[in-house]
Amino acid sequence: AQSVSQHNHHVILSEAASLELGCNYSYGGTVNLFWYVQYPGQHLQLLLKYFSGDPLVKGIKGFEAEFIKSKFSFNLRKPSVQWSDTAEYFCAVNAGAAGNKLTFGGGTRVLVKP
Amino acid sequence: GAGVSQSPSNKVTEKGKDVELRCDPISGHTALYWYRQSLGQGLEFLIYFQGNSAPDKSGLPSDRFSAERTGGSVSTLTIQRTQQEDSAVYLCASSPFSYDTEAFFGQGTRLTVV
Repeated sequence: AQSVSQHNHHVILSEAASLELGCNYSYGGTVNLFWYVQYPGQHLQLLLKYFSGDPLVKGIKGFEAEFIKSKFSFNLRKPSVQWSDTAEYFCAVNAGAAGNKLTFGGGTRVLVKP
Repeated sequence: GAGVSQSPSNKVTEKGKDVELRCDPISGHTALYWYRQSLGQGLEFLIYFQGNSAPDKSGLPSDRFSAERTGGSVSTLTIQRTQQEDSAVYLCASSPFSYDTEAFFGQGTRLTVV
């Protein structure tokens, strides 16, 4: 069965700092990978997704993620965070076939201090 | 609206009572998920419906939890004899049966068992 782990539960940083959130998954076959974000009081929304092609994926609000197949990783990055990036971030995976279940990691709470 | 709709948005119930939570997915989406989000616990998978296939109930925490999906559309999550540990936000998501798209989430139902 597929599983997802996020290494950091809480991250606190200052504005303009760089952010990197780790995500590792366990599944030996083809996978689809996602990062979702939940801003305070809002519903979960998609930041970016990877299905195939260029392993460096760019998403909304300046976020990007890199799929490294050999490391089973899909880390999220942003070079310079803003206070508005304060949110909870979730990595998710489904095995690479239509109709398969989406599995989430435990989430990382990010607090950006102004 | 075009999004996933959940009702009620908030529910306070007494311990031992039964509750029903409703999810209206996006029209045409064949996949429907229920997740539970507790403080500090991330997203806990509960159940997954995909078209006419048997649902994946592997995440239901006990036999007090059940869910059905009528006509391939609306879903109801039922919790019988509620306990205080059932207090959480219950999230519903839906997605099309296709390879390269993500799940769309509702705003959730905040359940408080007193």
